[in-house]
Amino acid sequence: GENVEQHPSTLSVQEGDSAVIKCTYSDSASNYFPWYKQELGKRPQLIIDIRSNVGEKKDQRIAVTLNKTAKHFSLHITETQPEDSAVYFCAASPNAEKLVFGKGTKLTVNP
Amino acid sequence: GAVVSQHPSRVICKSGTSVKIECRSLDFQATTMFWYRQFPKQSLMLMATSNEGSKATYEQGVEKDKFLINHASLTLSTLTVTSAHPEDSSFYICSAEGTHYGYTFGSGTRLTVV
Repeated sequence: GENVEQHPSTLSVQEGDSAVIKCTYSDSASNYFPWYKQELGKRPQLIIDIRSNVGEKKDQRIAVTLNKTAKHFSLHITETQPEDSAVYFCAASPNAEKLVFGKGTKLTVNP
Repeated sequence: GAVVSQHPSRVICKSGTSVKIECRSLDFQATTMFWYRQFPKQSLMLMATSNEGSKATYEQGVEKDKFLINHASLTLSTLTVTSAHPEDSSFYICSAEGTHYGYTFGSGTRLTVV
């Protein structure tokens, strides 16, 4: 089955800096890769996603890149703000079936 | 946008009792619903996948007789934790998948078994 590895587990940056979170997946059949932001005790919120027919997608300060050959995808947050502090999860979906999540990255943006 | 309502948000129950959690898709028909469990500071772990009108598919290591899932309609799925024990205390969260909306998460249920 699909296995998703996520790094780093914790990330601390200064306000205004960029943050990058990386994930790798094992199942070449996976074709949907969402990223979720989860604040303490709340539901995960979809922040951006990418499908396997696209290499990069950007939405304001957030971007995701996908390398199908290497089976890895990354989340890039530019001009970080304290409110970006949360736990971020990547996920992969093989053949429009269930989502398999990475273990999460706790991002702290220091003012 | 798609909205998934989950109730209750918090529940405390005594060891040995059962607890039912509801997950409703409010403005779309959910062809598939997923139930996840999340322990503190850990990732979401899929427990089971349910399709309307059919039996749920459980992930390895999840006891189907303990975690009963019913998906009787395209807008409602329930998870019943039977004979709950303290180790079942966790954050349970559902996700509904519709034709046009992808995955939408419920707000989660914090279960504490005392």
